[in-house]
Amino acid sequence: KAGVTQTPRYLIKTRGQQVTLSCSPISGHRSVSWYQQTPGQGLQFLFEYFSETQRNKGNFPGRFSGRQFSNSRSEMNVSTLELGDSALYLCASSYGTGVNEQYFGPGTRLTVT
Amino acid sequence: AQTVTQSQPEMSVQEAETVTLSCTYDTSENNYYLFWYKQPPSRQMILVIRQEAYKQQNATENRFSVNFQKAAKSFSLKISDSQLGDTAMYFCAFGRVVQGAQKLVFGQGTRLTINP
Repeated sequence: KAGVTQTPRYLIKTRGQQVTLSCSPISGHRSVSWYQQTPGQGLQFLFEYFSETQRNKGNFPGRFSGRQFSNSRSEMNVSTLELGDSALYLCASSYGTGVNEQYFGPGTRLTVT
Repeated sequence: AQTVTQSQPEMSVQEAETVTLSCTYDTSENNYYLFWYKQPPSRQMILVIRQEAYKQQNATENRFSVNFQKAAKSFSLKISDSQLGDTAMYFCAFGRVVQGAQKLVFGQGTRLTINP
């Protein structure tokens, strides 16, 4: 099976802009979770989608939003970018029922200038 | 809310040595799962080992084993016969089901370097 893919791998944006990141899960996986990874804060949970519905949400401002499509692909959007949004954004997919292994993508490195 | 603490930001050992990474967590839940994930430099995060809280037996995966002390809320990872390829960030994670959905909380990570 192909692994989790994320596009783009690298992004440079300026403050105030918005950005959309994409994640394609492993075939058959219905759950996609998003994480923000920074050196100072570590890995922080953003949100999780299952069958096009957001099931869980972390403590991030409303500028961070997401959605999931019928083919389980997910997008994450950040509006009005701030310098502090610079991070590695990881998505992870799993079957979504119970607690099972999450498979991570390579991440999107976002730099906000 | 659950918290996961990894008290060793960095560790360094010689190849072939045994190394133990520490992890403690705080929860009032009884049913949960614990994981160790590995993130090699510039590579994807992968699962190393998982432990179900209801199982008393410690999980083992080849050279990787855990010491799970439920009462002490401790979940350490032991790497035996360490190899250069074990160099990575290691994250301890606490997982449980919330309203049908899995929720993971990660520790801050331990950067492990294996020296030749």
